[in-house]
Amino acid sequence: GAVVSQHPSWVICKSGTSVKIECRSLDFQATTMFWYRQFPKQSLMLMATSNEGSKATYEQGVEKDKFLINHASLTLSTLTVTSAHPEDSSFYICSARVPLAGQETQYFGPGTRLLVL
Amino acid sequence: AQTVTQSQPEMSVQEAETVTLSCTYDTSESDYYLFWYKQPPSRQMILVIRQEAYKQQNATENRFSVNFQKAAKSFSLKISDSQLGDAAMYFCAYMPNFGNEKLTFGTGTRLTIIP
Repeated sequence: GAVVSQHPSWVICKSGTSVKIECRSLDFQATTMFWYRQFPKQSLMLMATSNEGSKATYEQGVEKDKFLINHASLTLSTLTVTSAHPEDSSFYICSARVPLAGQETQYFGPGTRLLVL
Repeated sequence: AQTVTQSQPEMSVQEAETVTLSCTYDTSESDYYLFWYKQPPSRQMILVIRQEAYKQQNATENRFSVNFQKAAKSFSLKISDSQLGDAAMYFCAYMPNFGNEKLTFGTGTRLTIIP
């Protein structure tokens, strides 16, 4: 299957600082990537859809100014958590859509654990 | 709106035995995809199997197979010859074949393998 990487895998930061998480499709071009948040023992919650060359589409209830998404190339999307606070601590996962007709699938990165102190 | 329901929060199976995980979904669309993803303790989401709604034939990947009943909107996963490495959370997911093609996930089933 297609490979998606995510960096960093772990990040600890102080309250009030900003954190950037990168999501890369390594062996295919992804015009669409997705960002999820997962709380312990829960399912994935979609935060936003990231489209290359255009603004991200955020799900209801997700603060656009808090979670900045940039999809600057066909292989890279970034999520920046601005002015992070302890309640932003979570597991963040990205996925990338394989745009092959008849083989549409999403592959996931390994996730980023964010701890805000 | 589409919904995906996994009614079994937890399941367990003896090693080498067979287990079936249930999933139902609700949609008014006719063209879509269904997936089973596995999330082991590492929390990496791994694609297990994929089914196109327009295909009547059930998808199979080695020890994993599905029973896709489109009219009943049911999509169960059968794991044969269960192995210790199969222990994980399993998520059923739906994706329409139009628009931004967002995934809708079920709440997951935690599978335990008994040695």
